[in-house]
Amino acid sequence: GENVEQHPSTLSVQEGDSAVIKCTYSDSASNYFPWYKQELGKRPQLIIDIRSNVGEKKDQRIAVTLNKTAKHFSLHITETQPEDSAVYFCAAIFGNEKLTFGTGTRLTIIP
Amino acid sequence: DVKVTQSSRYLVKRTGEKVFLECVQDMDHENMFWYRQDPGLGLRLIYFSYDVKMKEKGDIPEGYSVSREKKERFSLILESASTNQTSMYLCASSLGGVGRRAFFGQGTRLTVV
Repeated sequence: GENVEQHPSTLSVQEGDSAVIKCTYSDSASNYFPWYKQELGKRPQLIIDIRSNVGEKKDQRIAVTLNKTAKHFSLHITETQPEDSAVYFCAAIFGNEKLTFGTGTRLTIIP
Repeated sequence: DVKVTQSSRYLVKRTGEKVFLECVQDMDHENMFWYRQDPGLGLRLIYFSYDVKMKEKGDIPEGYSVSREKKERFSLILESASTNQTSMYLCASSLGGVGRRAFFGQGTRLTVV
């Protein structure tokens, strides 16, 4: 079926260290992979996305890498800060428009 | 800024009631989605629509239906609410084609008693 698997479900890192969250997807035809951040009590918001014709994309401390052959993509956060604490969701689009999410990673930054 | 608005922030309904959750977006987006969010299960897709009057089942459509009579409005209907439908419901919209960033509503916390 069409699904996205996300690991780990929880992640704790010391402030200033890096965090990595990994996702795999089932359909090799998928070509768009966004990442969303959801702070406590708020709605999910897009933080970065990548299309299948690109292997890596960076935006300041955040980067996403894509390996189409292995059907997996990862979120990298460097120099983590307390405000990075949140739940992060990866997603993929299946078929024309079916936006499917992973189960989320709760990231905690330890001061 | 894109605005996606859900009609209620909190809702309490009785078992067996018919429940309507409304979502309106103001950016002429083709696609609209309904998800439910439960701890440990992430965002699960219930239904989505890629055009007016068009709908497709997501991963957990059982017990739900949807309506999209106008482009800006997407309604989720619980035909006969049950306690296992107690959840946070999130609506989202996005442009079709290349610009696929999805914007979420603020969520509706539904409790079925």
